Amino acid sequence: EVQLVESGGGLVQPGGSLRLSCAASGLTFSGYYLFWVRQVPGKGLVWVSHISGDGTTTSYADSVKGRFTISRDNAKNTLFLQMNSLRAEDTALYYCARGGLPAAFVYWGQGTLVTVSS
Amino acid sequence: QSALTQPPSASGSPGQSVTISCTGTSSDVGGYNYVSWYQQHPGKAPKLMIYEVSKRPSGVPDRFSGSKSGNTASLTVSGLQAEDEADYYCSSYAASNNYVFGTGTKVTVL
Repeated sequence: EVQLVESGGGLVQPGGSLRLSCAASGLTFSGYYLFWVRQVPGKGLVWVSHISGDGTTTSYADSVKGRFTISRDNAKNTLFLQMNSLRAEDTALYYCARGGLPAAFVYWGQGTLVTVSS
Repeated sequence: QSALTQPPSASGSPGQSVTISCTGTSSDVGGYNYVSWYQQHPGKAPKLMIYEVSKRPSGVPDRFSGSKSGNTASLTVSGLQAEDEADYYCSSYAASNNYVFGTGTKVTVL
């Protein structure tokens, strides 16, 4: 069974840090673009970041640039998102996704909830 | 990185068709043939329905079709079924190696 499982979410104070992980089973991450997408409950999807198959190219939404860092460990089939200087507006359900078709988010996890609040 | 514009809602009776628009700019929808569409049921993860404007991934019914004209892409669901009731989001590759999603459309099957 194909599964992407996010973890690492939780409650954090403004200015704090969290590291999200996304582990894959039943499919490989190696060679594929990987993405983080977030969604405030009841609101729309927002692209956050992506990383190329070999990990050499990354890109970030302006709203997180300089605060978030995406990385991957192909050997462990795992994707990461280091989130620093967290703000209330970063509160959302964070999904990881894998590519595999041109410019498309093909496989999705079920998300991990990040809540930034004092 | 402004969100693509979608109508908030659309509806149709079973068996009818519904079309959802997705309007962007020449820096995203109009500039690339990399528009994709996602279906999201409540409490569930999004599911890819269309990629590269009009291509269907394996397993997606041919009732779902996509097109694009200029800066506006469209998703048409023909022969509406009860299980098609969901939120739909478009997405486009954009300049500077970014991606942008649409504002989302809630489709109701009457």
